[in-house]
Amino acid sequence: KQEVTQIPAALSVPEGENLVLNCSFTDSAIYNLQWFRQDPGKGLTSLLLIQSSQREQTSGRLNASLDKSSGRSTLYIAASQPGDSATYLCAVKKDSNYQLIWGAGTKLIIKP
Amino acid sequence: SQTIHQWPATLVQPVGSPLSLECTVEGTSNPNLYWYRQAAGRGLQLLFYSVGIGQISSEVPQNLSASRPQDRQFILSSKKLLLSDSGFYLCAWSYRDEKLFFGSGTQLSVL
Repeated sequence: KQEVTQIPAALSVPEGENLVLNCSFTDSAIYNLQWFRQDPGKGLTSLLLIQSSQREQTSGRLNASLDKSSGRSTLYIAASQPGDSATYLCAVKKDSNYQLIWGAGTKLIIKP
Repeated sequence: SQTIHQWPATLVQPVGSPLSLECTVEGTSNPNLYWYRQAAGRGLQLLFYSVGIGQISSEVPQNLSASRPQDRQFILSSKKLLLSDSGFYLCAWSYRDEKLFFGSGTQLSVL
């Protein structure tokens, strides 16, 4: 059974720092992995999607990597800003069906 | 561009009352549609998904139901709400590239 874990559950860093959020999964046979952002009381915003054949994806200050063999993905945020404060969730799709397996998220606070 | 609309944003309902949450998608055709629930401090739980009109798959047995009367309309319903139905309900859609796009959510409080 696929399980997705995000550690730490919460993270607080000063503005301007580069940081890494972690996502680990127990079954390396994945179809794709997505990173999402959720602001309090809001819906989720898709940030990056990495297919199983890819190693990384980049969007602006965000870079997501995927290492299937070790069951890990990282979300790298460069030059963090207070506006980056949100909960970040990762989700893994096992195959081409429609079920995503979700992590519980990391709540990120960027201090001005 | 594609947009997803979900309403209402908040809802307070008494136990035993009916529920109807609506979600519509614009700018795409034949999307896959989803209803998720997010309980406070917990992860997302997939409730229903649909790959076409009238095609509904349920992931979790419960007193909720879903319907897709039109290609881009997805409705979550209940005949009688329970206290345990309280939570944050999210509608989402996906298409070819499989990215998942979410609505703004409905905070449901059952009292």
